[in-house]
Amino acid sequence: DSGVTQTPKHLITATGQRVTLRCSPRSGDLSVYWYQQSLDQGLQFLIQYYNGEERAKGNILERFSAQQFPDLHSELNLSSLELGDSALYFCASSGRDSSYEQYFGPGTRLTVT
Amino acid sequence: AQSVTQLGSHVSVSEGALVLLRCNYSSSVPPYLFWYVQYPNQGLQLLLKYTSAATLVKGINGFEAEFKKSETSFHLTKPSAHMSDAAEYFCAVSDSSNFQLIWGAGTKLIIKP
Repeated sequence: DSGVTQTPKHLITATGQRVTLRCSPRSGDLSVYWYQQSLDQGLQFLIQYYNGEERAKGNILERFSAQQFPDLHSELNLSSLELGDSALYFCASSGRDSSYEQYFGPGTRLTVT
Repeated sequence: AQSVTQLGSHVSVSEGALVLLRCNYSSSVPPYLFWYVQYPNQGLQLLLKYTSAATLVKGINGFEAEFKKSETSFHLTKPSAHMSDAAEYFCAVSDSSNFQLIWGAGTKLIIKP
């Protein structure tokens, strides 16, 4: 158990809908990262937050947004969903030591039908 | 800018044979390097990390990796493969400027009985 929790574990929704994925980092970690993993694109870094502020952006679509709240949990919002958004979405956290190793949650499997 | 190259998207070895997964990196500063393992339908789990101490790093499940600065490599090895080692393995290097990890594309390890 990495200490990072993600909910829900599975999500099935229709095209055009909006969903919110939730992540709670390890206790004491200030950084949260979101990743998308699909068969055709592999592991893609989406966005990073550090102590409530956006730190870095990767291959995140404009239809996607995220935030980190004062209690350090984070939410990833996906809107106007398309079939191609079906993927595993991982959250990771880091920050307790200086080597920046990341601890991954179990992921949310999103299926868009 | 840092980058990571993993040679071979798939590596197949027989059970009991040596496992060698290759990772080369580029970094303008002394790097922190990581290997992660992902079992099917699970999140990524830290296997081992190099943080400028011993160049030979031992990890979980009998894996180890050697940091070779002259070759800019951090190859992952295991003397004797087990069926349970079948998974995808990711190499990563830290980007100290923004607390991120730069990821390789991953190598799927296939174990033949």
